[in-house]
Amino acid sequence: EVVLTQSPDFQSVTPKEKVTITCRASQNIGSRLHWYQQKADHSPKLLIKYASQSFSGVPSRFSGSGSGTDFTLTINSLEAEDAAMYYCHQSSSLPITFGQGTRLEIK
Amino acid sequence: QLQLQGSGPGLVKPSETLSLTCTVSGGSISNVDYYWGWIRQPPGKGLEWIGSIYHTGNTHYNPSLESRVTISVDTSRNHFSLKLYSVTAADTAVYYCARLFEAYPLDWGRGTLVSVSS
Repeated sequence: EVVLTQSPDFQSVTPKEKVTITCRASQNIGSRLHWYQQKADHSPKLLIKYASQSFSGVPSRFSGSGSGTDFTLTINSLEAEDAAMYYCHQSSSLPITFGQGTRLEIK
Repeated sequence: QLQLQGSGPGLVKPSETLSLTCTVSGGSISNVDYYWGWIRQPPGKGLEWIGSIYHTGNTHYNPSLESRVTISVDTSRNHFSLKLYSVTAADTAVYYCARLFEAYPLDWGRGTLVSVSS
């Protein structure tokens, strides 16, 4: 099973700051790494697919990078509406797995 | 636009069977491009994939749950279902149904909270 480890677990930031969340895989998963945003009491929503491809309708301030075992989600110029949990997810091998999540708080 | 609507009892007794159905609207469950799956999230915790099914009935399950899970599909009704047997309090969670493309969830239903309690 591929274990995904996100860091940090929690981050408190002010609007307009730049945020970076990392996700490390326990083995090489190529680019089969995806990022989701989950707001309180809502279903997760896909932000980034295949490490760096923005999903349709997602604001351009969200971007992803990485391959192999190390991946990054970057949020440029943070907005208040970005307060949420963020999860990475791998679809390289079964069972598909998720990172433990990063909670982003807006000051 | 595709919609997934989960339904089923919100309360299940310990040792009994949790049964949920996900009805798909705005698209066909027989679309060859997609799998359909279940993912759960215990209160305040992270996401756990339960399993996925193709319209042909081909299934994949999380090994951690495989001995207690059955996922089935009914293409005539455009829905798929989850059965989780011998539940315990640890199975209390929000259960999401999802459409998967190349194994990653593309669309999610709203989630159904299922509590296991006597």
